[in-house]
Amino acid sequence: DAGVTQSPTHLIKTRGQQVTLRCSPISGHKSVSWYQQVLGQGPQFIFQYYEKEERGRGNFPDRFSARQFPNYSSELNVNALLLGDSALYLCASSADRGLRSYEQYFGPGTRLTVT
Amino acid sequence: AQSVTQLGSHVSVSEGALVLLRCNYSSSVPPYLFWYVQYPNQGLQLLLKYTSAATLVKGINGFEAEFKKSETSFHLTKPSAHMSDAAEYFCAVSPDSNYQLIWGAGTKLIIKP
Repeated sequence: DAGVTQSPTHLIKTRGQQVTLRCSPISGHKSVSWYQQVLGQGPQFIFQYYEKEERGRGNFPDRFSARQFPNYSSELNVNALLLGDSALYLCASSADRGLRSYEQYFGPGTRLTVT
Repeated sequence: AQSVTQLGSHVSVSEGALVLLRCNYSSSVPPYLFWYVQYPNQGLQLLLKYTSAATLVKGINGFEAEFKKSETSFHLTKPSAHMSDAAEYFCAVSPDSNYQLIWGAGTKLIIKP
């Protein structure tokens, strides 16, 4: 079975630019979460989507936005990039019911570098 | 606010020795607790989880963790370290119905030959 996939793998952008990161969940999973992991730190929660609706939002500025599509894939958009946005962006999917929804399966991440 | 504390940013053990990685959480309600492992340049892999069933939880690769409510701890152990265990380990808690995970800062496990 295919796991969570993310694209692109690596990305280099300039300050002020905009970036879109993509994620495809495990087949059958309806929930997608996005995390930012700065080098040397644990992941920080950005968003969670379930059935195309935002279910949770972390403490990130409005420059960060996301959406989920009918096939449950998701995009994370970041506008007006800052140097501090350089990080590994992780996508995780989870099942939609009961305790299984707490088990999150992670993709390999997208490494974003802002110069 | 909920928080997770991992004691020791780096832990070094000899191959074959006991591995002990410490995790303490703050939560006003019984949480769900997780340990994830991250190999270099890879995503996170679930090692094990506590979801209010047995307090001693067994995971993959010979790891296990014990939930101790009185100590608000969920330490990760492995009886005998292997070189392939070298990685970064993260403890995470899901304290409420939002399903979001709150993460510790991670502990890098170094295995000495």
